[in-house]
Amino acid sequence: GAGVSQSPRYKVAKRGQDVALRCDPISGHVSLFWYQQALGQGPEFLTYFQNEAQLDKSGLPSDRFFAERPEGSVSTLKIQRTQQEDSAVYLCASSPDRRAEAFFGQGTRLTVV
Amino acid sequence: GQQLNQSPQSMFIQEGEDVSMNCTSSSIFNTWLWYKQDPGEGPVLLIALYKAGELTSNGRLTAQFGITRKDSFLNISASIPSDVGIYFCAGLPRSSNTGKLIFGQGTTLQVKP
Repeated sequence: GAGVSQSPRYKVAKRGQDVALRCDPISGHVSLFWYQQALGQGPEFLTYFQNEAQLDKSGLPSDRFFAERPEGSVSTLKIQRTQQEDSAVYLCASSPDRRAEAFFGQGTRLTVV
Repeated sequence: GQQLNQSPQSMFIQEGEDVSMNCTSSSIFNTWLWYKQDPGEGPVLLIALYKAGELTSNGRLTAQFGITRKDSFLNISASIPSDVGIYFCAGLPRSSNTGKLIFGQGTTLQVKP
């Protein structure tokens, strides 16, 4: 596709359940980012990949959060043992260069009940 | 961590009026970006700024990269109803080598026809 694609668009998880969120970046984009956006707030950085290498994971809030991009294209953000405070919109973005502007997907809205 | 102060938090204006919003930081940024986010969607890039003092336009939108490299503003001229949404500034800190963006908290714009 032409843009960044994320799935699912919406996810409701019971507390304690594991979830996996998928991101298909723009074809050929080297850089991929995950952001978390709480209601009424701006996005906050979670992690960054350059190709398959995870170069920055300083924003991951706990060891329950794990991201991978094994072949340098599709990425998955996994959250284990979800908690209510994990409820947020998870945004994926890609860019052709780490210094260039990032293009965002539509996000996955996660609700933990 | 680093934060951007974005103001105003919200604006309610009449169609046809001009709008101005700004972002300030206590640290230096190498890039300033302005995004618009509609409900249920991801942020869409409006304008990217790369040099101090740079003034860039995109249709009715004009943005400037502050000379001190610690601020930026966005102007919208002759607002129309479809300008409604949340506008975010985002900056790439000078200290970053991963493309990690810092976002403001957003300006919610409402336009009365």
